[in-house]
Amino acid sequence: SAVISQKPSRDICQRGTSLTIQCQVDSQVTMMFWYRQQPGQSLTLIATANQGSEATYESGFVIDKFPISRPNLTFSTLTVSNMSPEDSSIYLCSVGRVGPDTQYFGPGTRLTVL
Amino acid sequence: DQQVKQNSPSLSVQEGRISILNCDYTNSMFDYFLWYKKYPAEGPTFLISISSIKDKNEDGRFTVFLNKSAKHLSLHIVPSQPGDSAVYFCAANAGGTSYGKLTFGQGTILTVHP
Repeated sequence: SAVISQKPSRDICQRGTSLTIQCQVDSQVTMMFWYRQQPGQSLTLIATANQGSEATYESGFVIDKFPISRPNLTFSTLTVSNMSPEDSSIYLCSVGRVGPDTQYFGPGTRLTVL
Repeated sequence: DQQVKQNSPSLSVQEGRISILNCDYTNSMFDYFLWYKKYPAEGPTFLISISSIKDKNEDGRFTVFLNKSAKHLSLHIVPSQPGDSAVYFCAANAGGTSYGKLTFGQGTILTVHP
């Protein structure tokens, strides 16, 4: 399995501000993924963080709103920009290991926007 | 368009009995199916997976069955324990370039009564 840590674990923010979430993995991985779980909803993929190239975003998510950095093979950040109450969610970092049938998630960052 | 569906929002089972959680999908490109358990305020925990070339995969108390023609899979937990009480998510990906890009169902809340 993979050991994934995220910071912060939770935060309460004011609308219009930005929050950067960090994800650290215990070993090098090629791709890291960012997901969101809105209240009462399932998990939705935001983007794929590739080391050495720009992140690729899923439909409905844009770089201006969710800029991502991937400075090395064990670390990534997701920024939630110009937040509104609709951004209140759990944000989760995820990595694969052996192949497409094994994938692990971090503990999540619970974000509340007032 | 909900490509992965878990039609039962909740399931209640007596300790020691079998829990059966169901999942249906519509996208015939899905090649890998994963099950996760999630406690409140934690990230999803990977349980077991199956590839589309198999119809059964077993790991301890957990067995996943795949009926590709019906686009249906199920997770069996035997025997069920109170510690199994959590939200269970079914997820799928198409492998290849979609590696890591999981599509999740809505989840089923499992309650195991002592």
